[in-house]
Amino acid sequence: NAGVTQTPKFQVLKTGQSMTLQCAQDMNHNSMYWYRQDPGMGLRLIYYSASEGTTDKGEVPNGYNVSRLNKREFSLRLESAAPSQTSVYFCASRGETSGSSYNEQFFGPGTRLTVL
Amino acid sequence: GNSVTQMEGPVTLSEEAFLTINCTYTATGYPSLFWYVQYPGEGLQLLLKATKADDKGSNKGFEATYRKETTSFHLEKGSVQVSDSAVYFCALRPYGQNFVFGPGTRLSVLP
Repeated sequence: NAGVTQTPKFQVLKTGQSMTLQCAQDMNHNSMYWYRQDPGMGLRLIYYSASEGTTDKGEVPNGYNVSRLNKREFSLRLESAAPSQTSVYFCASRGETSGSSYNEQFFGPGTRLTVL
Repeated sequence: GNSVTQMEGPVTLSEEAFLTINCTYTATGYPSLFWYVQYPGEGLQLLLKATKADDKGSNKGFEATYRKETTSFHLEKGSVQVSDSAVYFCALRPYGQNFVFGPGTRLSVLP
């Protein structure tokens, strides 16, 4: 099992450019999440998806859109990048069935995005 | 609302020293509590968890006890190693709601 994978690992954009961050999980989880990590602020939830076909806003959704393409994949899109979106982005999925991984979030390796 | 407070550090210790990272929380009901660890250049991974009051989570020599009366979940390790250098996040998840993470505590262990 690969767990949660993210692409790309690094990206540099100019202000106003667009891009899509890709995320996939192979653990058959229903719930998936996008976070951003900024120094001193921990992880802040951007969007989440409780199941295929549903998405909901988190704490900091402005400037982002998401697509839950199928049960495995959950992408994050920046339509017009701004310097304030410079951050490290993490995708995660959550274990829901009983067992040792119940309620645990599994994280991808992250995407380091710089917007100039 | 739900929130997590933890010391931000950085915390610098010598190898074999005792570690405590404090974590307190505010939440409705009885949330599950977690400690996650992030090694340089990697994503977060679960270190330990506790789901109800007085539960003790433990893993890799680390432990934390769910204290409802003090709304705390302090992380401890008796003897740290250089390989424990990382950022540690305290987090909670109230039933049916999303995770809430603390700001993270950076730990550096010197040989």
